[in-house]
Amino acid sequence: AQTVTQSQPEMSVQEAETVTLSCTYDTSENNYYLFWYKQPPSRQMILVIRQEAYKQQNATENRFSVNFQKAAKSFSLKISDSQLGDTAMYFCAFMKQSRYGNKLVFGAGTILRVKS
Amino acid sequence: SAVISQKPSRDICQRGTSLTIQCQVDSQVTMMFWYRQQPGQSLTLIATANQGSEATYESGFVIDKFPISRPNLTFSTLTVSNMSPEDSSIYLCSVGTGGKNGYTFGSGTRLTVV
Repeated sequence: AQTVTQSQPEMSVQEAETVTLSCTYDTSENNYYLFWYKQPPSRQMILVIRQEAYKQQNATENRFSVNFQKAAKSFSLKISDSQLGDTAMYFCAFMKQSRYGNKLVFGAGTILRVKS
Repeated sequence: SAVISQKPSRDICQRGTSLTIQCQVDSQVTMMFWYRQQPGQSLTLIATANQGSEATYESGFVIDKFPISRPNLTFSTLTVSNMSPEDSSIYLCSVGTGGKNGYTFGSGTRLTVV
């Protein structure tokens, strides 16, 4: 069974600095997708970035980038120039193939606090 | 990507009663997913709802407790039945066709059972 592990329950960073959130996963599949979602206090789940496993190039979305290491099954998120609005819970997720449809498996989450 | 309207946004309910949560999507989707997020925790999939067939429930969740309806390709409801304080959680619906487009979530329903 696929599992997703986020080993950092909480992280803090100063405004304008860079922070990296860790995520590891376990799967026997070769083709899959990985995601980072952000959940601010509003509860809305917001897709931050996605990575396709067959692409070696790391995904980038503005200040957000990933370090995808397929062999190590690692998928960390780097946030550059941190802003107060980045304060949120961040979830790493793996897309699991199923005969009932593709499903997301989430990690436990990392609370990120950006300080001014 | 799809836009989801989820109602109610929050409710406080008496134990033993039931609450029905609605999700309306602005486009037709095959699969809809229902999640539970207990306070301070991650999201746990309750069931997958496919139009025209019975929902598929994950281990630990049963239809009698969480009946789901999926009458068409844009709408679904989740009912939390015979509620107890342990059912106090955030409930979210989600749609998605696969990895290329990601998954979109409703804004969640914060349920408190007293």
